[in-house]
Amino acid sequence: GAVVSQHPSWVICKSGTSVKIECRSLDFQATTMFWYRQFPKQSLMLMATSNEGSKATYEQGVEKDKFLINHASLTLSTLTVTSAHPEDSSFYICSAEQVIDGYTFGSGTRLTVV
Amino acid sequence: GENVEQHPSTLSVQEGDSAVIKCTYSDSASNYFPWYKQELGKRPQLIIDIRSNVGEKKDQRIAVTLNKTAKHFSLHITETQPEDSAVYFCAASTSSTLGRLYFGRGTQLTVWP
Repeated sequence: GAVVSQHPSWVICKSGTSVKIECRSLDFQATTMFWYRQFPKQSLMLMATSNEGSKATYEQGVEKDKFLINHASLTLSTLTVTSAHPEDSSFYICSAEQVIDGYTFGSGTRLTVV
Repeated sequence: GENVEQHPSTLSVQEGDSAVIKCTYSDSASNYFPWYKQELGKRPQLIIDIRSNVGEKKDQRIAVTLNKTAKHFSLHITETQPEDSAVYFCAASTSSTLGRLYFGRGTQLTVWP
């Protein structure tokens, strides 16, 4: 089946630094990628929707200047958390949309900001 | 936008018993309803899904029922096993080409041996 490779699986960074998370669709073209954030014992909260070649659409309350999303190709979408702070510590996960097979999730990235 | 409610938030059952998780949705345009199982620190895994033109779907010990009129759908797990223990999420999508998913809050299922 379709695979979305997400890296890194975990990262620890210092407060104020930036972190980039990558999601690659390995055997299909991901026109649309959804980015979620999940805090412990909570549901997946959609942060933004990215479409290849256009600007991402952010959900209400999500700072677009803090969470930079780039979807420059049909196989790669990136999320950069800029000037990370401890409250940004969370599990970030991407999901690519496929008409036939539904949604394919990346393996997730555990971000810890110290 | 769509609002998906999920109950219960926690569910404990004895091995071999059945487990039922229920979800309601608000947007009658929703037409795709997947269920995901998520283990700690892992990605959600699709366990079963149903589309709005079907009332029930079964896959071995797992079944999903959909009542479009009442706008609710349920997950049924029979003959539960300890390895079924995980968090289960229901979701809904309103787009004919899938679009964004709206997730329920999740149900922590614990199966005691």
